[in-house]
Amino acid sequence: QKEVEQNSGPLSVPEGAIASLNCTYSDRGSQSFFWYRQYSGKSPELIMFIYSNGDKEDGRFTAQLNKASQYVSLLIRDSQPSDSATYLCAVREYGNKLVFGAGTILRVKS
Amino acid sequence: DVKVTQSSRYLVKRTGEKVFLECVQDMDHENMFWYRQDPGLGLRLIYFSYDVKMKEKGDIPEGYSVSREKKERFSLILESASTNQTSMYLCASSFLPWGANTEAFFGQGTRLTVV
Repeated sequence: QKEVEQNSGPLSVPEGAIASLNCTYSDRGSQSFFWYRQYSGKSPELIMFIYSNGDKEDGRFTAQLNKASQYVSLLIRDSQPSDSATYLCAVREYGNKLVFGAGTILRVKS
Repeated sequence: DVKVTQSSRYLVKRTGEKVFLECVQDMDHENMFWYRQDPGLGLRLIYFSYDVKMKEKGDIPEGYSVSREKKERFSLILESASTNQTSMYLCASSFLPWGANTEAFFGQGTRLTVV
C-alpha cells in the first residue's frame, strides 16, 4: 500500500462548478497535511495546509481533514480554467518525512 | 521571498558518470529534501536531511547518495548514472516541524537525461 494515495484523474469539471479532490494516507502518526498545485513544467506551490480535524477555508479553497478515517480532501469552488493543473497531496509523517501522492490532474472546461 | 535554487535546469550526462546536483536555500531552513518526479508516479522521496551532516533515506535511495556539509546546501550524488535515473529532480526545504506549518518550498527542478 502506498503511503499517500490519490486518484490520478483526470478530473474534468465545467467552469464555475465545485472540484473535489481526495487523498488517503497510511501513517496514523502523520502530523500535517498539505495541498500543492503544479502547473505543467513548473515546480509545486503550496495552496493550503491543515493539521486539525475539520475544515479550513481560504478563498475558493477548502481543505477537509478526518484523521480517524485517514482522509484529506480539497474542494475548489467556482472552478476556473486557470485552476487546471495537477494537485498533489502531501503528508508530514512522524519523524519529519514529507511524502507526496502521485497527484490528481484537474481540467476545468470553459 | 524564500529562494531554493538548483544549480542546473537541464543536464545531460553519460551512463556511468558521477553526477552532482546542487541545491541552495536562503531561508535558514533545517530540513532539505530531494525528490524525483516521473509521469504517473508523482514525487518520490530520495533522501532528506534535518541538520548538517545528518541524512535519512527516503523511499527510493538506491543509486543515490547525499551530502550536507553546510546548512544551506544539500547535494544529490548519482555515483554511476544509469538511464533509469533520467528524471526531473526537485529539491525542497522547510523549517523543522516544531510548529504545525512546515511548508516545503521547491526549487525550479533539474531535468536530468542520462544517455
